[in-house]
Amino acid sequence: NAGVTQTPKFRILKIGQSMTLQCTQDMNHNYMYWYRQDPGMGLKLIYYSVGAGITDKGEVPNGYNVSRSTTEDFPLRLELAAPSQTSVYFCASRSSNRHYEQYFGPGTRLTVT
Amino acid sequence: AQSVTQLGSHVSVSEGALVLLRCNYSSSVPPYLFWYVQYPNQGLQLLLKYTSAATLVKGINDFEAEFKKSETSFHLTKPSAHMSDAAEYFCAVSVKTSYDKVIFGPGTSLSVIP
Repeated sequence: NAGVTQTPKFRILKIGQSMTLQCTQDMNHNYMYWYRQDPGMGLKLIYYSVGAGITDKGEVPNGYNVSRSTTEDFPLRLELAAPSQTSVYFCASRSSNRHYEQYFGPGTRLTVT
Repeated sequence: AQSVTQLGSHVSVSEGALVLLRCNYSSSVPPYLFWYVQYPNQGLQLLLKYTSAATLVKGINDFEAEFKKSETSFHLTKPSAHMSDAAEYFCAVSVKTSYDKVIFGPGTSLSVIP
């Protein structure tokens, strides 16, 4: 049982480049989330999904896109990278029960220069 | 609106001393509350959670937290700090929305001095 996995661990992008951050969970969780973590700012929700085929925006969605074609996978797409997107990105998942506990991946550290 | 505040962005304690990390929340409805720990270069891990059962919640590694409704607090404590407790700690409150939003506090970095 691997839990939540994320790839890559690190990435450096040039301004204007695109990339996809991968997230996979093997716990059959319906709910999945993408957060970004900036120093001293806690976690900000980018996008979330409540099941395959259903996604919606969180607090800071600008510059990002997501898809959810399967229960397991929830990739995050950056289309035109900007320096403001330099951050650590975490994917999380949880089951549908009301206890709200989320399981987090190890994160992707992205630098845009 | 729901929010979470953590008093002290950085806390230092001596090895063997009491750990106290403060968390206050605002919520218009009874909340679910969480403490997560983040070790360097890792994701967040659940330490403990309050889900309206016992107000004193015990978690992993001898951490515990007490829910005090009158003070809207959920402070995290540990009787004796270990070097391995050095990490970032996040308090979080859940909000019942269409996607069960979780609001995270800004975090408190704990240093343990030998």
